Amino acid sequence: DTGVSQDPRHKITKRGQNVTFRCDPISEHNRLYWYRQTLGQGPEFLTYFQNEAQLEKSRLLSDRFSAERPKGSFSTLEIQRTEQGDSAMYLCASSLSWEVGYGYTFGSGTRLTVV
Amino acid sequence: GENVEQHPSTLSVQEGDSAVIKCTYSDSASNYFPWYKQELGKRPQLIIDIRSNVGEKKDQRIAVTLNKTAKHFSLHITETQPEDSAVYFCAARRGNQGGKLIFGQGTELSVKP
Repeated sequence: DTGVSQDPRHKITKRGQNVTFRCDPISEHNRLYWYRQTLGQGPEFLTYFQNEAQLEKSRLLSDRFSAERPKGSFSTLEIQRTEQGDSAMYLCASSLSWEVGYGYTFGSGTRLTVV
Repeated sequence: GENVEQHPSTLSVQEGDSAVIKCTYSDSASNYFPWYKQELGKRPQLIIDIRSNVGEKKDQRIAVTLNKTAKHFSLHITETQPEDSAVYFCAARRGNQGGKLIFGQGTELSVKP
């Protein structure tokens, strides 16, 4: 495992359906982050975990969004009752927590299209 | 609140020229400032970072400068090449609180041969 893996790469769903994305971080990284990126914008913070604990969730995240990292390894991001405004690239990243200088390693993202 | 402003949004230079991208941040407790390069359809990749106890850092053709007093930092690319063409994002983070990065809006750099 040499990087952050995300699955699926692309997802097309009808409005109102639920979707779930998966992220597998770099194995020794104990911090895992979810970001959302729309065209022409920088990544927007959604939530992050240290091990299995969800330490922060963006106020921009509605109740339709939930994330888990049950065993401190992979994480899932679920969006319920999808809306067209949810269409975006969902990026996962991981990092080591005890060294402030360590940057993120991003995954390739899951591109969600809500039709 | 936490905010990172990035300028310009687009930048076009001739091959061999220098490019400078500037960012300002609002949170004075920020102490770590990475820069990411994102090519079309690919993931953001870390290219250089700087901590708040350092004023400048250089890695070959890339350098970053930090002015804590003014709360701004800049990316400098010298001797630009067509493969430098991409979107560049700056970010800022509070090292001891949360660990999340706040990103700027991005700069689309185009290097013309």
